[in-house]
Amino acid sequence: GAVVSQHPSRVICKSGTSVKIECRSLDFQATTMFWYRQFPKQSLMLMATSNEGSKATYEQGVEKDKFLINHASLTLSTLTVTSAHPEDSSFYICSAVGPAGNQETQYFGPGTRLLVL
Amino acid sequence: QKEVEQNSGPLSVPEGAIASLNCTYSDRGSQSFFWYRQYSGKSPELIMSIYSNGDKEDGRFTAQLNKASQYVSLLIRDSQPSDSATYLCAVKKSGGSYIPTFGRGTSLIVHP
Repeated sequence: GAVVSQHPSRVICKSGTSVKIECRSLDFQATTMFWYRQFPKQSLMLMATSNEGSKATYEQGVEKDKFLINHASLTLSTLTVTSAHPEDSSFYICSAVGPAGNQETQYFGPGTRLLVL
Repeated sequence: QKEVEQNSGPLSVPEGAIASLNCTYSDRGSQSFFWYRQYSGKSPELIMSIYSNGDKEDGRFTAQLNKASQYVSLLIRDSQPSDSATYLCAVKKSGGSYIPTFGRGTSLIVHP
């Protein structure tokens, strides 16, 4: 149980285009999901907290208009990188809190590797 | 002082030895503690969680928590080359609204 999926696993796009990444909790409902970014050999950097049915809470320094987060259901959150640039190339990882009865533990998705040319 | 501190390593141990990974935290209100393993190029995977002082064992892994001293450690017995990874410590206050804080991780290398 407590499986989180991400799609796509890898994406290459041209500079200026937008990319949508999906994060799904497959066997539990997640009221809260987190989005992280990790550059090579760096630690996890929390970008935002996504709560179902409400606006995401962004960490300081993360542009909310560039990284659009939608958490429309208890099993799906999406991150859209708008007008992507090469410096947005990174490993994007989501996590979900749950399942019910275990709201303490984060379960991570497999990550999405984004390369912007 | 960082909220969650880990020695970045690398920590190098021979195969079969005990690897000891340490983590200290600054917030005394912390209630939940987690160890994650992250292989290169992959996302973190949960190894263990611990909430009470003392030891918690799961197979070759033992988590140790000392809230008075504000540290949590992870012992890996009979270390294998496949244990080579970065180990992340995460600390969280109780309650759903608190966001866990991750350390920068300790790189472990188990050499044959």
